[in-house]
Amino acid sequence: NAGVMQNPRHLVRRRGQEARLRCSPMKGHSHVYWYRQLPEEGLKFMVYLQKENIIDESGMPKERFSAEFPKEGPSILRIQQVVRGDSAAYFCASSPRKVADTQYFGPGTRLTVL
Amino acid sequence: AQSVAQPEDQVNVAEGNPLTVKCTYSVSGNPYLFWYVQYPNRGLQFLLKYITGDNLVKGSYGFEAEFNKSQTSFHLKKPSALVSDSALYFCAVRDPNYGGSQGNLIFGKGTKLSVKP
Repeated sequence: NAGVMQNPRHLVRRRGQEARLRCSPMKGHSHVYWYRQLPEEGLKFMVYLQKENIIDESGMPKERFSAEFPKEGPSILRIQQVVRGDSAAYFCASSPRKVADTQYFGPGTRLTVL
Repeated sequence: AQSVAQPEDQVNVAEGNPLTVKCTYSVSGNPYLFWYVQYPNRGLQFLLKYITGDNLVKGSYGFEAEFNKSQTSFHLKKPSALVSDSALYFCAVRDPNYGGSQGNLIFGKGTKLSVKP
């Protein structure tokens, strides 16, 4: 049973380019969460999705950031016109249906903006 | 407001000694509490959680944590530390009654555990 998959593991972009981060949840998991970890800090919630629905995007910056979890395929976190401050590790987690269920994390995508 | 505090940035322990990593929380209702461990350049690995029931929770790799409602704490413990336990430890809380969102975890800033031989 494969765990949460994220790709790419490392992504380098120049300022103004777009970054696309992909997350495939564990088999049987229908809930996906995205978190961002800045250097020397804990993880900060960004967005919570179920298939074809955004449930909570209260942690997402208002501009340039978007997320989706289509009926088929992985969840995508998209950052348009990246800036240096977007450099961070982005982690995806998945869980089964219930609120009390554990979230299992992927290995993360480390985004570096030059 | 919901929050999690890990008061120690770093904990140093000699191998074989007991270890404690502290965590306190603030939520409006009954919390769901979690501990995760992060090794360098890796994702977070789940250690244990408290949802309800027995206040002492046992988890992976010999770790355990005790939920103390009166002190709003959920300290992580291990009777005998190993060098391989050296990593970054995160406490997290979810308040199922908070607003309209039941999804996200709120993390502490993390505590770096260093176990010396």
